[in-house]
Amino acid sequence: GQQLNQSPQSMFIQEGEDVSMNCTSSSIFNTWLWYKQDPGEGPVLLIALYKAGELTSNGRLTAQFGITRKDSFLNISASIPSDVGIYFCAGQPGRGAQKLVFGQGTRLTINP
Amino acid sequence: EAGVAQSPRYKIIEKRQSVAFWCNPISGHATLYWYQQILGQGPKLLIQFQNNGVVDDSQLPKDRFSAERLKGVDSTLKIQPAKLEDSAVYLCASSLEDYTEQFFGPGTRLTVL
Repeated sequence: GQQLNQSPQSMFIQEGEDVSMNCTSSSIFNTWLWYKQDPGEGPVLLIALYKAGELTSNGRLTAQFGITRKDSFLNISASIPSDVGIYFCAGQPGRGAQKLVFGQGTRLTINP
Repeated sequence: EAGVAQSPRYKIIEKRQSVAFWCNPISGHATLYWYQQILGQGPKLLIQFQNNGVVDDSQLPKDRFSAERLKGVDSTLKIQPAKLEDSAVYLCASSLEDYTEQFFGPGTRLTVL
């Protein structure tokens, strides 16, 4: 089945540092999504990308839909303590296809 | 607007017992999803409903898992009998239509002993 490889699996950074994580696939996705999950909660959508090459920002978060449609990255600038959590990429393989395929997640830890 | 509601939040059972989870989606959302999230992994879709019809249940272990959404609103996911490997968080999500943003509930954490 379709799989997303997300890296790194975990990150330990200092408050104020920038963060970068990415997601790759062997198959094409037509939509890329980035979610954040806090302990004991469900994932919350951060950014959605719908076109190859698209670069979208949401506050300190920036994400890009790779030109090949097989990858995406998420950057967080000037990290703050509330950025701690697990970040998941997710892709939808078809136009209007509903099924989300999730990566394994990147656990972000911030040292104050 | 109220979010996706799930209950119970936690459940501990012994293997071979049965368990049921309940989900109430956001009002007006036609599409409802059940995901299984094993510790350290991303969520995996088990079943998707459009109103009260099943759209995708290809990854649902049908020998032990069942789900229904009889009136096209709330939904129940059942496991009978449970196995140790069913220990996971079961997430419910809903969306307005089948291609719009999915909103997740807080999940039910199941521990099978």
